Amino acid sequence: DVKVTQSSRYLVKRTGEKVFLECVQDMDHENMFWYRQDPGLGLRLIYFSYDVKMKEKGDIPEGYSVSREKKERFSLILESASTNQTSMYLCASRVGGKNIQYFGAGTRLSVL
Amino acid sequence: GESVGLHLPTLSVQEGDNSIINCAYSNSASDYFIWYKQESGKGPQFIIDIRSNMDKRQGQRVTVLLNKTVKHLSLQIAATQPGDSAVYFCAENSAGNNRKLIWGLGTSLAVNP
Repeated sequence: DVKVTQSSRYLVKRTGEKVFLECVQDMDHENMFWYRQDPGLGLRLIYFSYDVKMKEKGDIPEGYSVSREKKERFSLILESASTNQTSMYLCASRVGGKNIQYFGAGTRLSVL
Repeated sequence: GESVGLHLPTLSVQEGDNSIINCAYSNSASDYFIWYKQESGKGPQFIIDIRSNMDKRQGQRVTVLLNKTVKHLSLQIAATQPGDSAVYFCAENSAGNNRKLIWGLGTSLAVNP
């Protein structure tokens, strides 16, 4: 089974803090994704990475950056957290060929 | 029962009934479609997929139907069970960009015992 692990289920941070969300996959997938999920808005793509050290902006990259130093790990960084970044964050990875993405359990981030 | 996707309506069905969840997709160039199930507190989980050269695909208790003429996708769940209660998302993949998925907004399915 594909396993995508997000390091934290719940995080509470203060406005202005730098926040790191970590994601690890164990299936040697080349592509990894970060989404945020908000009620009524579905899943919105923040960034994705198609190889080590490669990244591409998604639909809502503002306020976020990412890091992919190793194939199995994809990190989402909030340089200066703001209250409007309170959300559920989902990481996914994808096998080649079909675009079936496998998701972690999510990190619920609250920025106070 | 039936519902239309792209916003988050709630479909409520009785245990044992069949459920139909609908999705109107946006891009006529999309050539691949996926249904995901998201249970409370979990990430989305792949259910079934279909390519645009097919109009029907069956899995275990689930069937996906694709009508390219009207850009409509549906997920049918047979003999719905309480464990089917979740939010269901459709997603489409454009032939020109096979890395990104375009997601529907989801439909919440509630199964009454």
